[in-house]
Amino acid sequence: AQSVAQPEDQVNVAEGNPLTVKCTYSVSGNPYLFWYVQYPNRGLQFLLKYITGDNLVKGSYGFEAEFNKSQTSFHLKKPSALVSDSALYFCAVRGRNTDKLIFGTGTRLQVFP
Amino acid sequence: DTGVSQNPRHKITKRGQNVTFRCDPISEHNRLYWYRQTLGQGPEFLTYFQNEAQLEKSRLLSDRFSAERPKGSFSTLEIQRTEQGDSAMYLCASSLLEGGEAEAFFGQGTRLTVV
Repeated sequence: AQSVAQPEDQVNVAEGNPLTVKCTYSVSGNPYLFWYVQYPNRGLQFLLKYITGDNLVKGSYGFEAEFNKSQTSFHLKKPSALVSDSALYFCAVRGRNTDKLIFGTGTRLQVFP
Repeated sequence: DTGVSQNPRHKITKRGQNVTFRCDPISEHNRLYWYRQTLGQGPEFLTYFQNEAQLEKSRLLSDRFSAERPKGSFSTLEIQRTEQGDSAMYLCASSLLEGGEAEAFFGQGTRLTVV
């Protein structure tokens, strides 16, 4: 069965510092991996995805994520956090034989000025 | 606005009533998904369509839930005899490409409150 774990309910970081939001997954075969962000009263917005190839994926708003097959992880990163990055972040996985997207429970990112 | 549109945005209903939600996907998108999100949880898959065909349904989708996508365009999600446990945000998403590599674009959701 597919599953996604986001071990941190909340991540706090000072503005200008690098940030990491963790995600590990469980799926048979090679996965498709996604990050979405949810701002208050707004829908989920797509940030980036890993399909194949380069393990470092770059996405919107300066975010990037690193796929690590041996650790089954897909951590979201940003070199320098902004206060406006404060939101709820969801990692999601889809196996190659299904169109069902499985989400983690989300990590709230709080960036302090 | 060319994004995924969901109506209504909010719905308050009494327990036992039926409710219907509508989703208009991005034009030309052939895949349409319904998810449910409760407080503190990630979105949970309910069902999805390719064009007008409903291809997969979650165990979460009890016999009180039904979804349709006539003509492969907009979709409706109906909940019959609502229960308090149905209170949640119902999200719709659409995608274009076939295969798992396409990202899904989400609407703003319909928040259902059953009192």
